[in-house]
Amino acid sequence: VQVVESGGGLVQPGGSLRLSCAASGFTFSIYAISWVRQAPGKGLEWVSAISSSGGNTYYADSVKGRFTISRDNSRNTLYLQMDSLRAEDTAIYYCAKYYSSGWYSLEKWGQGTQVTVSS
Amino acid sequence: QSALTQPRSVSGSPGQSVTISCTGTSSDIGGFNYVSWYQQHPGQAPKFMIYDVTKRPSGVPDRFSGSKSGNTASLTISGLQAEDEADYYCCSYAGRYTLIFGGGTKLTVL
Repeated sequence: VQVVESGGGLVQPGGSLRLSCAASGFTFSIYAISWVRQAPGKGLEWVSAISSSGGNTYYADSVKGRFTISRDNSRNTLYLQMDSLRAEDTAIYYCAKYYSSGWYSLEKWGQGTQVTVSS
Repeated sequence: QSALTQPRSVSGSPGQSVTISCTGTSSDIGGFNYVSWYQQHPGQAPKFMIYDVTKRPSGVPDRFSGSKSGNTASLTISGLQAEDEADYYCCSYAGRYTLIFGGGTKLTVL
């Protein structure tokens, strides 16, 4: 079981970035997946989640209206489109597979991708 | 919604037991039996250690145990080992398909 994030980088405030998370070793299409971020020297913050089919999406208030989660089950890939980025969005972004069929805990995490929002 | 409250740091000697507390509200920890715990070594991804308050995933040593009383959850590590030194995060389901994490606790093995 493996998830690998990519797409991070340096972006100016107000800019956009699209993160990807490639999954392997499990049946991607039957699990909900989440994005969690960690600001420098700070704790973990749940950002967003998507159902197995992609038909249901959920967001933290801090990113609602600016970030969009999506998935392509044919490519075993999860995405996070981040628009109107702010300095406080600077963080390592992890994708994580939910445990079993629930929405309650995160079983497998990737190594993360760094997003830096700065002018 | 504010993060769950954890002590910033705890410490213990090898072989001893330590307990990390995690305090929330009736809207998260107190309202659901869905507390999980994660271990994070520096520069690494979080590792899944406890789920559904008390359950251990396959491969996690039974030295790690979880519990909950009211709005407070706890992680106890018995028989402390050097490799247990890490940051630990609690997490609770908070309804409406959302999760809330604690601020993290740094465990130092003396």
